[in-house]
Amino acid sequence: DQQVKQNSPSLSVQEGRISILNCDYTNSMFDYFLWYKKYPAEGPTFLISISSIKDKNEDGRFTVFLNKSAKHLSLHIVPSQPGDSAVYFCAASEGYSGAGSYQLTFGKGTKLSVIP
Amino acid sequence: ETGVTQTPRHLVMGMTNKKSLKCEQHLGHNAMYWYKQSAKKPLELMFVYNFKEQTENNSVPSRFSPECPNSSHLFLHLHTLQPEDSALYLCASSQVRTGGRNEQFFGPGTRLTVL
Repeated sequence: DQQVKQNSPSLSVQEGRISILNCDYTNSMFDYFLWYKKYPAEGPTFLISISSIKDKNEDGRFTVFLNKSAKHLSLHIVPSQPGDSAVYFCAASEGYSGAGSYQLTFGKGTKLSVIP
Repeated sequence: ETGVTQTPRHLVMGMTNKKSLKCEQHLGHNAMYWYKQSAKKPLELMFVYNFKEQTENNSVPSRFSPECPNSSHLFLHLHTLQPEDSALYLCASSQVRTGGRNEQFFGPGTRLTVL
């Protein structure tokens, strides 16, 4: 059973407009959420994160919103640029697991295409 | 440059072969991870090493054998693999801190094909 779901496999957006990528989770114990970006033939790159004590975190063109009651988070990219075209993964964590290690649960990813 | 390197980048092997994947992190982190990414599936955590001790093994078949000789190096030894093991294998590292808030940094991955 998938605990982190990204229901849109792909999204196309015009350059300069807003991109909104969505993520839902089922595990109420998740308290830390991350977004990763992945280009072809490269590993995922950390983009932005948010703790469950916040409902918004902003870093330049990227903003992540968290709605704990709905178990939903979203990543907003404004304005979208062609270089943002990549696969975006949502990930979640319960914080510590095991002997102090840090386990992430990933969604399947959403492929964003920004059209010039 | 990510600070996490993986070799080889591509590997083709037969089902009877034995090979090893190597990962090295240059970030001074204390935890390292192996993930498997198959087509149209989420990243699946395989193994976690924290301070060189294996703390997680997510029901991975014994034909995958990890080794972590020190906090900078991680290996994945492969033997008698199956075609369904063909996937992208990703290594990651992180600095485990009090409070459990840390991000994982990934290497570029090894694209493995089992014939």
